[in-house]
This record gives sequence, C-alpha cells and structure tokens, in this order.
Amino acid sequence: AQTVTQSQPEMSVQEAETVTLSCTYDTSESDYYLFWYKQPPSRQMILVIRQEAYKQQNATENRFSVNFQKAAKSFSLKISDSQLGDAAMYFCAYRAPSNSGYALNFGKGTSLLVTP
Amino acid sequence: GAGVSQSPRYKVAKRGQDVALRCDPISGHVSLFWYQQALGQGPEFLTYFQNEAQLDKSGLPSDRFFAERPEGSVSTLKIQRTQQEDSAVYLCASSLSAGTGEQYFGPGTRLTVT
Repeated sequence: AQTVTQSQPEMSVQEAETVTLSCTYDTSESDYYLFWYKQPPSRQMILVIRQEAYKQQNATENRFSVNFQKAAKSFSLKISDSQLGDAAMYFCAYRAPSNSGYALNFGKGTSLLVTP
Repeated sequence: GAGVSQSPRYKVAKRGQDVALRCDPISGHVSLFWYQQALGQGPEFLTYFQNEAQLDKSGLPSDRFFAERPEGSVSTLKIQRTQQEDSAVYLCASSLSAGTGEQYFGPGTRLTVT
C-alpha cells in the first residue's frame, strides 16, 4: 500500500507571509496523481491543487503552488501571501494509476494557523 | 443541489445499534466514494461505486459495514452492531468519472458510539 507522510503536525504563518507544507509518499508506480486538500474546522474538504506525475511542470493555482520532486517522492505545498481564511487542516493525498483503483490515500494532515 | 450532501450530520448511537448514513452525490457524478476519518487523522478509504456497481470494498473494516447505491445515485452506508471504534466522521465524495481523479467531498456525518 502507498504511504503518504506529512511530517509537520502543525505550522504557523503570519498573514501575508509564505509557508510551505511538506509531503512525501512511497510508490513503485511511475504514473499517478497527487493532491492537496484543505479542511477548515467543521467544514467540508475542498481540493486546493492537483498534480499529475507525468507532468514535469509544477501546478499552480493563484496563491497556491507545489514543488513536485518525482525522484525524491516529495510534493510540498507553498502558500503565498497567506490569509486568515487559509487556516485549516491540509491533507496531502495520493491516487494510484487508474488500473490500480481510484481511492485517495491521505496523509495525517498539517494544521495551519494564520496569525494577524 | 450544488454539492455533495450527507445526512444526518451528527449521529449518536448506543453500542450494538445499527445506523444508516446517507450520501447524495453531485448530480451526474458516476463515481461515489466513502471514507472514514478518525479524530486527528486523515480520511481512510472504505468503498467505491461506479454507478450502481460496487467496484472496490477493500477498505471496509469488517462485515458489519455495508454500502449500497441501488439506482446509481444516492448511497447508504450501513453499520450493524456499532462498536465504540466505529466513532468517526464518515465522508462521502463523488466524481464525474473516477479517472479524472478529482473527488468532491460532502460535509460528513459525525458518528459517536456510546
């Protein structure tokens, strides 16, 4: 089974600053999908950004970008110009190639605190 | 509706009771997933449907857990003879097609077994 590791249980960032959340994963596959999901307190999980492993270019969505290092099996999330609304749990998730099923395999999450 | 909905949002059950959790996926979404999220943990996969067919139930923790999606839309996750370790948030997600990879999550049902 694939393992997704988020080594930072908690992170803190000041408003308007930049923060990077770490994620590593273990797989023997060459083609797969990676995701970052955000889960605000008592609210539903929403997709922040996705990356297909066959794409070398790092995905970007407005203030959110990833640093995808395939050889190192690393997939970090950078949040620029942090806002109070970014405070949430962030989960990194891996999805195997289609012929191996469609389940998302999540890490344990990183709690992000944004201070004024 | 605009998103995935789940009901009830909160459920308290006495140990040994049966519970049924409902998921209404986004209209037109072929794929539906159930996940279990224990306190302080990431979600863990339970089962997956494509239309009415349950294609993967490898994550169901025991035979007390049963899921169905008889008409390929609404799904129900049933837990028989609930145990304290079943206490968790149960998340439902739907996807236009499983291959696209993007799953849209509902707000979850928080189950507490006393």
